[in-house]
Amino acid sequence: KNEVEQSPQNLTAQEGEFITINCSYSVGISALHWLQQHPGGGIVSLFMLSSGKKKHGRLIATINIQEKHSSLHITASHPRDSAVYICAVGGTRGFGNEKLTFGTGTRLTIIP
Amino acid sequence: ETGVTQTPRHLVMGMTNKKSLKCEQHLGHNAMYWYKQSAKKPLELMFVYNFKEQTENNSVPSRFSPECPNSSHLFLHLHTLQPEDSALYLCASSQDESSGGSWGTDTQYFGPGTRLTVL
Repeated sequence: KNEVEQSPQNLTAQEGEFITINCSYSVGISALHWLQQHPGGGIVSLFMLSSGKKKHGRLIATINIQEKHSSLHITASHPRDSAVYICAVGGTRGFGNEKLTFGTGTRLTIIP
Repeated sequence: ETGVTQTPRHLVMGMTNKKSLKCEQHLGHNAMYWYKQSAKKPLELMFVYNFKEQTENNSVPSRFSPECPNSSHLFLHLHTLQPEDSALYLCASSQDESSGGSWGTDTQYFGPGTRLTVL
C-alpha cells in the first residue's frame, strides 16, 4: 500500500461541475502539497498547507491532520483545469531531510 | 527569464552517450532538487542540494551524477544510461528557511522538465 493514496485516479466531468479530489496518507507529516501537472510535464505548485484550509481563485484545499486526509476542490470547473493533480506530503519537522512522498496523481478531464 | 528553467526540453540518447541536463532558477532560492517521473509512477526524488551541499541521494545509480556549482544552477550528468531510465526529469527549487532541516515543508517550484529517451 502506498503511503499516499489519491482518489479517484481518473475523473471526467462537464464544464461547470464542482470537482473534489481526495488524498489520504499514512505517515506523520508537517506539510501537504497539491501540485498540478499539465500535459507535456510542467508542474505548478498549487498549495502547501499544514492545517485548515486555503483558497486561491476557484481552487480550495483542505486538510484534516487527525484523519490524515486532504481534499482539493475546484469550483466552476473549466476545460483549462484539465491536468493531473498530485498530492505530496512532507516529513515531520525535526527529523531532518525527510523526503516528499508523492501520490500517483488524479487525471482530471473537463469536457466543454 | 523567470522561475525555473530546464534545458534541453527533449533529449534522445544512446546507451553509450554522455549528456547533461541543466536547471536554472531565478527565484533566489537556496535549495534545488532533481526528480524522475516514469510513466504511471509517482514522482521520485533523486537528489537534493541545500545551500549547494548535497543533502539527499535517494539511492540513485551512479550513472546519474548531479552537480550544483552555485545556488542558481543544477546539472544532472548522464552516462551509460539504460532504456529504463527513459522518463521525465524535473528540477525544482525552494527557499529552505530551516537551515537544512525538514525541507519538505517548503513550497517547491518546478521547471518544465526534460523528456529523456534512451535508445
